[in-house]
Parts: sequence; C-alpha cells; structure tokens
Amino acid sequence: GAGVSQSPSNKVTEKGKDVELRCDPISGHTALYWYRQSLGQGLEFLIYFQGNSAPDKSGLPSDRFSAERTGGSVSTLTIQRTQQEDSAVYLCASSLGASPLHFGNGTRLTVT
Amino acid sequence: GENVEQHPSTLSVQEGDSAVIKCTYSDSASNYFPWYKQELGKRPQLIIDIRSNVGEKKDQRIAVTLNKTAKHFSLHITETQPEDSAVYFCAASGGGTSYGKLTFGQGTILTVHP
Repeated sequence: GAGVSQSPSNKVTEKGKDVELRCDPISGHTALYWYRQSLGQGLEFLIYFQGNSAPDKSGLPSDRFSAERTGGSVSTLTIQRTQQEDSAVYLCASSLGASPLHFGNGTRLTVT
Repeated sequence: GENVEQHPSTLSVQEGDSAVIKCTYSDSASNYFPWYKQELGKRPQLIIDIRSNVGEKKDQRIAVTLNKTAKHFSLHITETQPEDSAVYFCAASGGGTSYGKLTFGQGTILTVHP
C-alpha cells in the first residue's frame, strides 16, 4: 500500500512568511508524528497525535509552530513568521499503535 | 528528558569487515530502542529494533545488543557491503503511549569501501 506522503517536497520561503506542510499518513495508522532534521543532525521530535487524544506538543521549539490533524488522518504543520533557523527537513511518520514508525520523504524547508 | 549519545560519528570499513555503532541513553525508563538507516536524500528506514525484555536480537547480518544496567545498546553489522553505506541513527523511547516519541542519537556515517 501507499506509504506516508508529504507535500511539498521542497519549499523556499522568505523570512517572516508563514508556511504549511502537509502529511498524509498510512491509511489506518492511529498515531502521527512530526520530526525535524537539521543539516547533518539527528531527528528532533516536534509533536505527535494519537487517536482522539490531545496532541503531545512538548517538542515544539516555539509558539510559532503549530500542528493539527483533521479527521484522524491528514496533518498540517504550520510555521508562522519563519526564521532562517527554521530551515530543515521536516519529517512526518505514522504508526499503528505500539509499532515502528514509517517515515515520509520529508519537506525540505529553506528560509531565505 | 532523555538524552542519547551515539559513537562514532563516522566509521569507515572495508567490504566484508564488521561494523559496530554504540549508543548510550540516560533515562532508565526507556524500553524501546530502534535503529534507522538513512541513505542520502532519502527517508529514515527502520532496520532493527529491540525492546527492554530481551538482550539481543538478530536479523541476518544485523544484530542489536542491549545492556539495561549500563544503559547502552549497540548495532552490529557483519560482512559489510558497499550498499550498507549510509547514516545510521539509534533512538530510544519510553514505550506505551509514547512509543514513537523517539530521542535520536546524532548519527553515524558508515562508509564501506569495496
């Protein structure tokens, strides 16, 4: 079946603009995660959604970052007033309960 | 919070040799330890994982060992091949409802020379 799909694959934006990144998880997966990978670095947890529970936002670096998951499926990560330090690859992953994560190909965000 | 340290940052081996990557973690409550392989420009892919109720797990040329007392775990790749060249990440989480809330190591760039 289809894997985790993310769009856009690349996004270039000017400093101060808002951006929205989209994630379509694997159908039926109840858990959805957002991670950030800066150049040459490991992955940094941002936020996760599990079923109908309130999301765990403990990894969001500032209040400029937010995410929502509509209908238990598609998720959107929004970054407001982007800064150059927000430049990174944003990875989405999904899983079925306590099972391994399946990552998408990511969105490469460049803030100029 | 959890902190995961990974060593070495780079590893170069000859084809056919073994490669070992080591990680330590700080939170004794962590009980799930996956390893991901990431090729250049591609998504991380799970290659093996281990839960805290076992000390070792093997899958063909890949094995992971876990020492909960010492809070460290290691990835072993035997008979390395050029296609094993990639960045490898270890990670840890507390399991349960936070199964996928992973803390990653900084990665090891593995290069296998033909």
